Amino acid sequence: DAKTTQPTSMDCAEGRAANLPCNHSTISGNEYVYWYRQIHSQGPQYIIHGLKNNETNEMASLIITEDRKSSTLILPHATLRDTAVYYCIVRPSTDSWGKLQFGAGTQVVVTP
Amino acid sequence: SQTIHQWPATLVQPVGSPLSLECTVEGTSNPNLYWYRQAAGRGLQLLFYSVGIGQISSEVPQNLSASRPQDRQFILSSKKLLLSDSGFYLCAWSVGTAGGYTFGSGTRLTVV
Repeated sequence: DAKTTQPTSMDCAEGRAANLPCNHSTISGNEYVYWYRQIHSQGPQYIIHGLKNNETNEMASLIITEDRKSSTLILPHATLRDTAVYYCIVRPSTDSWGKLQFGAGTQVVVTP
Repeated sequence: SQTIHQWPATLVQPVGSPLSLECTVEGTSNPNLYWYRQAAGRGLQLLFYSVGIGQISSEVPQNLSASRPQDRQFILSSKKLLLSDSGFYLCAWSVGTAGGYTFGSGTRLTVV
């Protein structure tokens, strides 16, 4: 069963902010929201994760709605190197195995 | 700092031949270790995970097996490869339940 829903693809202009939506309407109180990206022919790269509060790091910002049913990953100034598949994943904090299950993700293409 | 090594980067093997892919992690102790596969044009599928030496759990029935002979070594094997075993194999590690995953650079396996 898919736990997250993301658009299949989106385009973004270089230098502009990229806002990537994710719906996780069945998220439980103990589940984190994780974002990864995979550049073509490389392994996935961790971007950011959060539980309830908005988070920011050197790569991106994560905005989680108050009801936690959706979130948005923001790349503040997209570059051509940000072209990748972006995965939104929910994962229980109590899962001792720490398994990550990847969905189809969003193919983001940054254009000059 | 923690690093993950995965080799070889590419591999072409005939149908029916054996397989051994190795993954090692440096700079951390008692990591959770994972093997993922990505078939061409498809998403990432979790194959095996391990929380300790000799502890292996399989996510899907398949022609592959995994072993963890040392704390920071994870091996993916097959006695007889099938054409359907072709794909991009990724090793990953994490520590604890809330941490992010770090992926290796992957092995692209082509079975001919």
